[in-house]
Amino acid sequence: EVQLVESGGGLIEPGGSLRLSCAASGLTLSKAWMSWVRQAPGKGLEWVGRVKSKTDGDTAEYAAPVKGRFTISRDDSQNTLYLQMNSLKIEDTAVYSCTTVNYGYDASNIWGQGTMVTVSS
Amino acid sequence: DIQVTQSPSSLSASVGDRVTITCRASQSISNYVNWYQQKPGKAPKLLIYGASSLESGVPSRFSGSGSGTDFTLTISSLQPEDFATYYCQQTYRFPLTFGGGTKVEI
Repeated sequence: EVQLVESGGGLIEPGGSLRLSCAASGLTLSKAWMSWVRQAPGKGLEWVGRVKSKTDGDTAEYAAPVKGRFTISRDDSQNTLYLQMNSLKIEDTAVYSCTTVNYGYDASNIWGQGTMVTVSS
Repeated sequence: DIQVTQSPSSLSASVGDRVTITCRASQSISNYVNWYQQKPGKAPKLLIYGASSLESGVPSRFSGSGSGTDFTLTISSLQPEDFATYYCQQTYRFPLTFGGGTKVEI
């Protein structure tokens, strides 16, 4: 059974940096396409970014609001996906979830439970 | 960016009702639409991918249809566990975008 467990969220001041982790079990992360999705309190879902598997090029795409500030990476030895978030803004406050991506339609078929990031002074 | 508009934003229904949720894209997106269900405090769950393919384990009362710009998610006979918020997502072009959600209430 595939499981994704996010961690690393917390309270951070505007302009600060945070790195979220997504520990995967039941799959080899280097072979998986993965994404990050966020949800601000009481709001809808917002796609953050997606990275292809290493075998497919390991390239990433990002949403406009986070492009240049957020970076997706992975540590194969730890089977862990990361979301490095820099220059955080108040509007980045949200629950961040990692997902596996599948089926050729960028469908997020397995989700973690999410980790809360609060950007506030 | 491709805008995705869901309607209605909320609806009231009863157990046994047939429910239809619509998703309209600002330009043609072929069949690159996925549908998700989210219950309060829970992670979203994939229901439909590629506009009409049912995710494994999802009850057959859920179905998706459409292509181009107009898509629908249909629940043929609403069950108590189906009261939730539903989101469509276009994955035709980056940035990927979600609809605003449809809350299905009693």
